[in-house]
Formats: sequence, structure tokens, C-alpha cells
Amino acid sequence: EVQLVESGGGLVRPGGSLRLSCVGSGFSFSNYEMNWVRQAPGKGLEWVSYISSSGTTTYYADSLKGRFTISRDNGKNSLYLQMNSLRAEDTAVYYCARGALTLGLDSYPVGLDYWGQGTLVTVSS
Amino acid sequence: EIVLTQSPGTLSLSPGERATLSCRASQSFSRTYLAWFQQKPGQAPRLLIYDVSSRAAGIPDRFSGSGSGTDFTLTISRLEPEDLAVYYCQQYDDPPFSFGQGTKLQIK
Repeated sequence: EVQLVESGGGLVRPGGSLRLSCVGSGFSFSNYEMNWVRQAPGKGLEWVSYISSSGTTTYYADSLKGRFTISRDNGKNSLYLQMNSLRAEDTAVYYCARGALTLGLDSYPVGLDYWGQGTLVTVSS
Repeated sequence: EIVLTQSPGTLSLSPGERATLSCRASQSFSRTYLAWFQQKPGQAPRLLIYDVSSRAAGIPDRFSGSGSGTDFTLTISRLEPEDLAVYYCQQYDDPPFSFGQGTKLQIK
């Protein structure tokens, strides 16, 4: 069974930092692209960041302006999101989501097919 | 950046009726990388449709996707009470991989 479990959320003061983790199981983690998606309270989904299966390619939402860094450790089946200079508007549930299967140079996108349960980040003084 | 605009914002229908949800993109995709998600209250989103019209695993055939260019549609052919949810489209063709703002489906 495919599972994604996020952790690391909590209460942080404006300007502070937080590192989120997501551990995958039940699939070959190193063969899949991964994403972070967030949802502010009562609001819609916002795509945050993407990382390729090897970790060599990353993309970010324009609104983040270099404050967030996505990374992964395939040996630990883990995905990370380092969040710096946090603002009140970063308050949200953060989900990790599985993306495309990658085999060699070929990618097989099928949307974000598995999601974790989310971890809540609250930025407040 | 591709902006996705969903309509209507809210849709209220009765069980057994047909629901048609729209997603319009600000520019055409070079590939058919458009997905639809369902999110029920208190739950993580669930993938319904990928590549415009392919149903994800375990999704009933009441759900179908269509469209091309800049206009895409999610159709739920026979509404059931459990279809109460917010539905989102997302493009994964060109980063940033934007979502639409969502359509809330209410069941009368």
C-alpha cells in the first residue's frame, strides 16, 4: 500500500524557519517525482514545489520568492521542504504528493496520484 | 504562468442529476497534462482524472473528463450524495503547476 506521511509542522513565529518531512512507503520512492501542495485555512489548493526523481531539477511557485527549498533523500525514502523567513500568509496545511514515475530518461505523468494526510504550519506571534 | 479559472464557483444539484464543471486556462498546453481532484471536508485531495480524460484507479465511470486547448470539463453523470466536495483542476504541463480556485458542489 502506497503511503505518504508528513511531519514537522507546528507553530512558528514570523521570520522563523521550519523543515517539513514526508516519508514514502509501499512504492519505489527513488523512481517518482514529488511535490508539495499547501492549503490555507478555508482556501483552495496552492501548488508549492516540485522535485525530480533524482533531485536534480526543482521548481517553485513564484510567490515563494526563494524562501523555500525542496530536497529529497532517496536512501531514506524522504522528501523535505525547508521553509525560511516565514510569514503569516504561509499558514496552511502542507501536503506532499506523488508525481510522475521516472524510468531512465522517460517520465510517465499521471497527475498527483497519492497524497499524505498533511501537516499544519501556523505562523503567528 | 498558466492561470486556471474554474466555473461556476458553487453548483447545487440533486441526486441523479448531471454536473458539468468548467476549467479554463489562460493559454494552451503543449501536452494534455490537466488533472481533476476531489476534496471532501477534512480530507486530502483525491485524484479523479489525469491527462484530461483518463480516470485514476478506482474512480467510478460516472466521472469523466474532456476538453482541449484552453477549455476543459469534468462531468459527473449521475450525482450521488457522497459527491459533495470541492473540485479542483490542475495543470502539470508547465511550471508553476497551478490549480484552479475550485468549484464547490452541493447536493440538494
